[in-house]
Amino acid sequence: DVVMTQTPVSLPVSLGGQASISCRSSQSLVHSNGNTYLHWYLQKPGQSPQLLIYRVSNRFSGVPDRFSGSGSGTDFTLKISRVEPEDLGDYYCLQSTHFPNTFGAGTKLELK
Amino acid sequence: EVQLVESGGGLVQPGRSLKLSCAASGFTFSNYGMAWVRQTPTKGLEWVASISTGGGNTYYRDSVKGRFTISRDNAKNTQYLQMDSLRSEDTATYYCLRVGFDYWGQGVMVTVSS
Repeated sequence: DVVMTQTPVSLPVSLGGQASISCRSSQSLVHSNGNTYLHWYLQKPGQSPQLLIYRVSNRFSGVPDRFSGSGSGTDFTLKISRVEPEDLGDYYCLQSTHFPNTFGAGTKLELK
Repeated sequence: EVQLVESGGGLVQPGRSLKLSCAASGFTFSNYGMAWVRQTPTKGLEWVASISTGGGNTYYRDSVKGRFTISRDNAKNTQYLQMDSLRSEDTATYYCLRVGFDYWGQGVMVTVSS
């Protein structure tokens, strides 16, 4: 199985500040069709995860441009600029290139 | 608006069965593969199973192979997860997803306990 190593586990931030979350995979996430199926989610308490970024760097509908994704191969990053209160919660990466699809263990974004 | 609504969860004894349903609306259901993902506080998020648009191809994580069956009824815009021989480690919140993993249901709790 592809192991997704997500860091840090906890990330204290100040409102208006910047946050960066890393996700590294144990093997390349480049599919045979050339696409890279690495996605980012935010889960707020009591809610299901919501898609932020799909295929590395594409913002999902309605997601503010404060969120950006980058990376390639096995190394990926989610950046959040100008953190707002509604950004707090648990962030997860997901790879759907290989079966079984696997998630990172999560990063809790919390107030400093 | 895309909506995925799960039902069928509950408390069940080890070794027994449970069938989850997911009613989809707001998109052309037959054009999308579908999936189930579960979440626990200890193991986090785990992909469970996926099914192709027509239902001819199914995929499972190893720990549920031979016990869980994913299926769909395109006429009813509904997918299912038949869970047999349930174990305590299957206790989780189960989410229905559209492949592309863009839309998730609200989740349904399954508790396996005597």
